Amino acid sequence: RKEVEQDPGPFNVPEGATVAFNCTYSNSASQSFFWYRQDCRKEPKLLMSVYSSGNEDGRFTAQLNRASQYISLLIRDSKLSDSATYLCVVINAGKSTFGDGTTLTVKP
Amino acid sequence: NAGVTQTPKFRVLKTGQSMTLLCAQDMNHEYMYWYRQDPGMGLRLIHYSVGEGTTAKGEVPDGYNVSRLKKQNFLLGLESAAPSQTSVYFCASSTWTVGTEAFFGQGTRLTVV
Repeated sequence: RKEVEQDPGPFNVPEGATVAFNCTYSNSASQSFFWYRQDCRKEPKLLMSVYSSGNEDGRFTAQLNRASQYISLLIRDSKLSDSATYLCVVINAGKSTFGDGTTLTVKP
Repeated sequence: NAGVTQTPKFRVLKTGQSMTLLCAQDMNHEYMYWYRQDPGMGLRLIHYSVGEGTTAKGEVPDGYNVSRLKKQNFLLGLESAAPSQTSVYFCASSTWTVGTEAFFGQGTRLTVV
């Protein structure tokens, strides 16, 4: 079993749709969680951190469920510019483990 | 305002050749990482370092060596390149504080023929 697993995708949604991704992790001692966005052939860039209490940044909401060991990312009112691959990353004692990513395509 | 810089950006190697990829960061970060990313897949951790003079193995360390002689630099070496090492390599750095994001370099596209 992989340490970090993401919804396989791809997700193809129309503009304005709401879409949610999940990411599960196997190590209960994991300490920090993030969502990164990666555009084709570019380096990953931080989308948002995931806090225990959940956090929101505009159209994006991230949540952490420690009991079930997963994090989620919700995107509301999808834009064409949201098309990208979304990577979750889990950090434990300095070691960071990425999921394989979920590809989102937003269509007109 | 350089952040994390990787060199080279592109390289073609013949099987059996060796090379070193350099990662430099100017943010005084303690943690540095080397990842590889194959088409359609996520980032897999090769090696990482929690401070100057330290290194540790990640998920896929075989065929690679690393050194962190200076805090700002993290070198990734391929002693005898193989076609299976054809990939995009990303370096990243982060602070000691748990919960702080990692910053990535722009990647090195390596092809081994």
